[in-house]
Amino acid sequence: AQTVTQSQPEMSVQEAETVTLSCTYDTSESNYYLFWYKQPPSRQMILVIRQEAYKQQNATENRFSVNFQKAAKSFSLKISDSQLGDTAMYFCALHGWGAQKLVFGQGTRLTINP
Amino acid sequence: DAGITQSPRHKVTETGTPVTLRCHQTENHRYMYWYRQDPGHGLRLIHYSYGVKDTDKGEVSDGYSVSRSKTEDFLLTLESATSSQTSVYFCAISESDVSRVRTEAFFGQGTRLTVV
Repeated sequence: AQTVTQSQPEMSVQEAETVTLSCTYDTSESNYYLFWYKQPPSRQMILVIRQEAYKQQNATENRFSVNFQKAAKSFSLKISDSQLGDTAMYFCALHGWGAQKLVFGQGTRLTINP
Repeated sequence: DAGITQSPRHKVTETGTPVTLRCHQTENHRYMYWYRQDPGHGLRLIHYSYGVKDTDKGEVSDGYSVSRSKTEDFLLTLESATSSQTSVYFCAISESDVSRVRTEAFFGQGTRLTVV
């Protein structure tokens, strides 16, 4: 079975601060993909960052980076220099190499305050 | 933007009636998914498909059925709608290349369904 857990229902930080969103997961597969998606008030789902489990190096995309700890099954998202436009729901997701399904966590509502 | 369309975008229906939601893609992606989004639960997988006529259940499949008779369409049917099925429903598509590397999933705009 594949499960994803996000233990922070809500977070709030000031603009320009750094914030880290937590995600833990469980899977029996040795290889898999992890994703962070952002959902602004428009409801559109937007890919933020993607990590392939067989790659040791943590993925980065501009102000977004991950801390991937494979042994601990942890996949946190760090947002540096946060901006008002980062206000959104953030979802962590897991897709196993052999599994056909894409599983999401409960989401973290992030608010960036001016 | 990926070509994925959900219809209808909004629907109000009565308890006990059947309802069908449609997901249409123009990307020729193999994998298609139906999720429901509820506060505090994130996105929960209802059913998914890995090819024409190949479907399987997700974690919250009771009361739902799906069909995929061609690559581009994935239908979700609520056989007899109940108030607990009031939710926002999302369709998603994804693909994998010859090395089985997964692409990101692309999502439709969502359907807000209200069962009264």
